[in-house]
Amino acid sequence: DGGITQSPKYLFRKEGQNVTLSCEQNLNHDAMYWYRQDPGQGLRLIYYSQIVNDFQKGDIAEGYSVSREKKESFPLTVTSAQKNPTAFYLCASSTVGGNEAFFGQGTRLTVV
Amino acid sequence: GQQLNQSPQSMFIQEGEDVSMNCTSSSIFNTWLWYKQDPGEGPVLLIALYKAGELTSNGRLTAQFGITRKDSFLNISASIPSDVGIYFCAGAISNFGNEKLTFGTGTRLTIIP
Repeated sequence: DGGITQSPKYLFRKEGQNVTLSCEQNLNHDAMYWYRQDPGQGLRLIYYSQIVNDFQKGDIAEGYSVSREKKESFPLTVTSAQKNPTAFYLCASSTVGGNEAFFGQGTRLTVV
Repeated sequence: GQQLNQSPQSMFIQEGEDVSMNCTSSSIFNTWLWYKQDPGEGPVLLIALYKAGELTSNGRLTAQFGITRKDSFLNISASIPSDVGIYFCAGAISNFGNEKLTFGTGTRLTIIP
């Protein structure tokens, strides 16, 4: 079945460590996005990519990095520079010519 | 970034009641989307709106693209238990595609027995 797969579902990280969240889609979508969700808040855009080998910062990019080497994949690295990394991270992709974003099931990252 | 104000923040209703929520922006959007999120899951797209004044239905859900392009409304008729969750509006400045979305803060819907 087509869709967006995020892994892992739950992730625990020690302070000072980098961690990479996976996002894969088989929808043949050009654009992919990473959002962060905190309790009581909406989704805030971290990074987005409209084409392979190109990406742009969103509203809260500091402490994060991404790559887009393949159309299907858009991994997010949460670096040690991110001061408050505990959150629910959502990956999405969208269709060419449309703005409807389709989401994965999310990764809940907890810093311990 | 831009802000979308969504209201109400939470709703407590009885099964069978109708629900109304809205989303307003300080600037114009040319795309409005409505999503529903269940706990611990990613948001699921409910309705997409691309034209000012547009009224679109998806089963018991009806959404409207405000004529000013600065607001949108979502109505749910005859609520049922599976309607429980958080509803988010989202807007995009253009309707050319692959546009980044701005999300509202959500409306949490709870059905009381």
